[in-house]
Amino acid sequence: SQQGEEDPQALSIQEGENATMNCSYKTSINNLQWYRQNSGRGLVHLILIRSNEREKHSGRLRVTLDTSKKSSSLLITASRAADTASYFCAFRRGGSNYKLTFGKGTLLTVNP
Amino acid sequence: DGGITQSPKYLFRKEGQNVTLSCEQNLNHDAMYWYRQDPGQGLRLIYYSQIVNDFQKGDIAEGYSVSREKKESFPLTVTSAQKNPTAFYLCASSIERDEKLFFGSGTQLSVL
Repeated sequence: SQQGEEDPQALSIQEGENATMNCSYKTSINNLQWYRQNSGRGLVHLILIRSNEREKHSGRLRVTLDTSKKSSSLLITASRAADTASYFCAFRRGGSNYKLTFGKGTLLTVNP
Repeated sequence: DGGITQSPKYLFRKEGQNVTLSCEQNLNHDAMYWYRQDPGQGLRLIYYSQIVNDFQKGDIAEGYSVSREKKESFPLTVTSAQKNPTAFYLCASSIERDEKLFFGSGTQLSVL
């Protein structure tokens, strides 16, 4: 499969804890993006990291990218119940125009 | 308010019937996309369009058709040839190929 793979498939934590989700891919990429989806809604873009970057921050989000291991991680610090959602990584395979490939997602549940 | 509007939110198809899902954007984006989401499968690309009057097949185009007569509009028709149409359909747009996607709120298609 050319899809990315998120790990774990599901994660349940308590409010205030940190949540870490991982994404692995198999091909060369130009950039990797993370999206969030609340149940029954569209996806919302969270953060983009380019292949020449190793780490990026946005508010409570921290994304790392290791191109040698073909993997990325998304860390959400001090989680809140409102962070409950599915999180997807997405990447554009090297040489493919306009086509983002999405992983299967991690379902995060933050318990109050 | 700029964004992407998908309609209807829920759609039911009878056997042998073609149905059309609407997607309109006022973001002045050149590229538009249709994705299908099945439970546990993540998002799969059906069709994408980089410019008016041009579109390309994605990974699962069989049983679907699209048109791009206007920059703002990218309707998707689910034909009777699509034997398993029940899914959540998401429309998205982007300003250029490497950048983030903006998603609509989705259409849930079910078979009667």
